[in-house]
Amino acid sequence: DAGITQSPRHKVTETGTPVTLRCHQTENHRYMYWYRQDPGHGLRLIHYSYGVKDTDKGEVSDGYSVSRSKTEDFLLTLESATSSQTSVYFCAISAAGGGNQPQHFGDGTRLSIL
Amino acid sequence: DAKTTQPNSMESNEEEPVHLPCNHSTISGTDYIHWYRQLPSQGPEYVIHGLTSNVNNRMASLAIAEDRKSSTLILHRATLRDAAVYYCILSSGYSTLTFGKGTMLLVSP
Repeated sequence: DAGITQSPRHKVTETGTPVTLRCHQTENHRYMYWYRQDPGHGLRLIHYSYGVKDTDKGEVSDGYSVSRSKTEDFLLTLESATSSQTSVYFCAISAAGGGNQPQHFGDGTRLSIL
Repeated sequence: DAKTTQPNSMESNEEEPVHLPCNHSTISGTDYIHWYRQLPSQGPEYVIHGLTSNVNNRMASLAIAEDRKSSTLILHRATLRDAAVYYCILSSGYSTLTFGKGTMLLVSP
């Protein structure tokens, strides 16, 4: 299994509070991704990173920011959490960004915003 | 983005082969065909991918039509652990994966 650790695995917090989710990899892969999964929507890309300090927006990036200061860590921040951001969040990694590169996923973080 | 069409659900019996179809009539020449699966309460798991030729790995086989407008994921002997949602996804260049609703595979003992 790919060495991907997401933390925390579960979190409950209140509307308006800041939340940071962490993805840590031990594979030295260049690309990292954050997805969210909601019933009826499947997985949707939030942000991705193609190198240290290099990030780009995905399909549903509003309300989220990311940072990548080291190859192994990719942080997802909700500056002021809202109930619509209640979801399961998955981190993924890939060695490169081309169509020939599979992505490997973490076990997810279940986030509840009350 | 090129899109894929999959049946909503399929059923199989344990130890029988399973053929999961995927249509992608608007596929471009640079699109790779990826398959992922997601077991309940887990993250998606990479299964297999290919471009033009059929591919085999320890998990499954991927059969790609000659015109590349369709493909089939083959599980040679289904087990209860193979019950999952299977996603067929096209990916090319620097594009990211776009997950659809996939096919829910039910496996009966």
